[in-house]
Amino acid sequence: VLTQSPGTLSLSPGERATLSCRASQSVSSNYFAWYQQKPGQAPRLLIYGGSIRATGIPDRFSASGSGTDFTLTISRLEPEDFAVYHCQQYGRSLYTFGQGTKLEIK
Amino acid sequence: QVQLQESGPGLVRPSGTLSLTCGVSGGSVTSGNYWSWVRQSPGKGLEWIGEMHHSGSSNYNPSLKSRATISVDKSKNQVSLKLGSVTAADTAVYYCATPFTVATSFDCWGQGTLVTVSS
Repeated sequence: VLTQSPGTLSLSPGERATLSCRASQSVSSNYFAWYQQKPGQAPRLLIYGGSIRATGIPDRFSASGSGTDFTLTISRLEPEDFAVYHCQQYGRSLYTFGQGTKLEIK
Repeated sequence: QVQLQESGPGLVRPSGTLSLTCGVSGGSVTSGNYWSWVRQSPGKGLEWIGEMHHSGSSNYNPSLKSRATISVDKSKNQVSLKLGSVTAADTAVYYCATPFTVATSFDCWGQGTLVTVSS
C-alpha cells in the first residue's frame, strides 16, 4: 500500500512544493515513479527509477527516497504545475498507486 | 511514438461484462511490451488492473484477478479487457498504458474511456 500526504496541498506560484509517499513495505527506488494528472487528462510520467526525470520534464521537478519514504519536490511552482500527483511502485509483478495528492493554488 | 486509443460501450448493466479495446498505432503489440489496463473511479486514485504480453504471459491485480481478462490480438494490433460481474463500484475511466521506453512505469497512456455501470 502506498499512502500519499498531504491529500491536498495549497500553495502559491513561485513556492516550493514537497509531496510525500510512504510505502507499507520497503520498495526498491528503481521501481518507483511519480505522475502528474490534470483534469480530464491521462496521467503523465514525471519521474521513474526513483529520481530520473522522464523526457521533457523540467528540472524544477525532482524526486528522492528509499525504503518506505519517497518525496517529490517542485522547486518553484509554475501555474501549470497545479494538478494531482500520483506515486507508483512496482514489485512482485504488481503495480500499486497511491491515492494522489491534489496541488491547488492558494 | 506509440499511440493508444481505448474504445467500448460507455454503459454496462450491473452483473454484466465490461468489454474494452485498446488500439495500438505507431507500433506493434508484438514489440515486447507488456500492455496494461489502469482504471480511475470518479474522484479517486489510480488502480492497476493487470498486464499482458503477446507471448501470453500475464499478471493481474489480486483484487480483480477473478473477474478480469486481458488479451492481445496480433492481427488487429489491439489489446482487450473483459471484466465480468460488474457493479457500480466498477464505474471508472479505464486507461490502457504501457512502459514504452522505461521499465516498470507507464510513459505511454491512452486518453481513457469512461464506463458507467448502471441499470
